[in-house]
Amino acid sequence: GENVEQHPSTLSVQEGDSAVIKCTYSDSASNYFPWYKQELGKRPQLIIDIRSNVGEKKDQRIAVTLNKTAKHFSLHITETQPEDSAVYFCAANSGGGNKLTFGTGTQLKVEL
Amino acid sequence: EAGVAQSPRYKIIEKRQSVAFWCNPISGHATLYWYQQILGQGPKLLIQFQNNGVVDDSQLPKDRFSAERLKGVDSTLKIQPAKLEDSAVYLCASSLDRGDTEAFFGQGTRLTVV
Repeated sequence: GENVEQHPSTLSVQEGDSAVIKCTYSDSASNYFPWYKQELGKRPQLIIDIRSNVGEKKDQRIAVTLNKTAKHFSLHITETQPEDSAVYFCAANSGGGNKLTFGTGTQLKVEL
Repeated sequence: EAGVAQSPRYKIIEKRQSVAFWCNPISGHATLYWYQQILGQGPKLLIQFQNNGVVDDSQLPKDRFSAERLKGVDSTLKIQPAKLEDSAVYLCASSLDRGDTEAFFGQGTRLTVV
């Protein structure tokens, strides 16, 4: 089955700096890679996703890159703000279907 | 559109007791998932339904956990008997019947087993 690894587990940045979170996956048939943000005590919410037919996608301060050959994808947050502080999860769909396997999460803290 | 509804929000039970959680997915979503999220970890898939059929239950501890989605809409997840290690947030999610679409999560049920 799919195995998704995520690094780092914790990340602390100064407000205004950039943050990068990296994930690797094992199933070469995976073709959908969402990123979820989970604030304390709340539900995971999708912030951006990428499909395997593109290498990069950007939405304002958030971007995701995908390297299919190396089986890794990354989340980039620029000009970080305190409200970006949360746990971020990457995920990949197994076998190209709709079963999502999640990474272990990254606790991002944006310090003033 | 209305989101994924779950109840109850919180539940505290003693070990060896039973508990049930309910989920109502977004209207029109054929796929329903139950995830277990232990504190500090990512969500782990317990069971996935496609309409009222089970697609994947490989990580469901079937000796104590059961789930059903009889009419292909809402679903219940039951634990009987509960163990201390079952303490977690149980998240229900739903998605359209495609492999590359967003899974929408409910607020979850926080279970504490004492």
